[in-house]
Amino acid sequence: DTAVSQTPKYLVTQMGNDKSIKCEQNLGHDTMYWYKQDSKKFLKIMFSYNNKELIINETVPNRFSPKSPDKAHLNLHINSLELGDSAVYFCASSQVLTEQYFGPGTRLTVT
Amino acid sequence: AQSVTQPDIHITVSEGASLELRCNYSYGATPYLFWYVQSPGQGLQLLLKYFSGDTLVQGIKGFEAEFKRSQSSFNLRKPSVHWSDAAEYFCAVGAQGSSNTGKLIFGQGTTLQVKP
Repeated sequence: DTAVSQTPKYLVTQMGNDKSIKCEQNLGHDTMYWYKQDSKKFLKIMFSYNNKELIINETVPNRFSPKSPDKAHLNLHINSLELGDSAVYFCASSQVLTEQYFGPGTRLTVT
Repeated sequence: AQSVTQPDIHITVSEGASLELRCNYSYGATPYLFWYVQSPGQGLQLLLKYFSGDTLVQGIKGFEAEFKRSQSSFNLRKPSVHWSDAAEYFCAVGAQGSSNTGKLIFGQGTTLQVKP
């Protein structure tokens, strides 16, 4: 009965590769988010979708592309991975104007 | 610009002692305020939130926080810390009303260590 789930939990890959992280929520929320947590544990929002519509797109390289096939899923695809992309990526969801619920995170390591 | 400051990067307290984690925010409008906790290797769990009303809010695990508009603060407190409270704590602020896109601004976090 996991509320917000992400796969994979760990992802190790080489520079230049393309990878995807998947997120699903079973809370019936309308809005989903992607956050990046860097090595200093600083959390910053990357994207937000509301009912499959992109509403937040922070200053993120266009190598990062979110995709929302339906309002329960928000995937993150990353092209041409770089060393600086190594981080923990969190998915979250919420109803409009309420608190966000976070997934367990995906630790991405680029070598 | 919106910002959240957690002045204490690292705090160590003895088990059973009281705890206060500080959070100051800079925000032009009335904010939504949150405290989240992150245990090692885990996601973020919501401890408590402030949207409106009573400025003293109660959360899970015995935590409470007080919103002080005049000081732009939302400090987290617990009267008696347990060893299991050792974790990373994040304060976050979001916009209310028509400015609300759901975007949260997080502080840099406070690492809590609990001594036996």
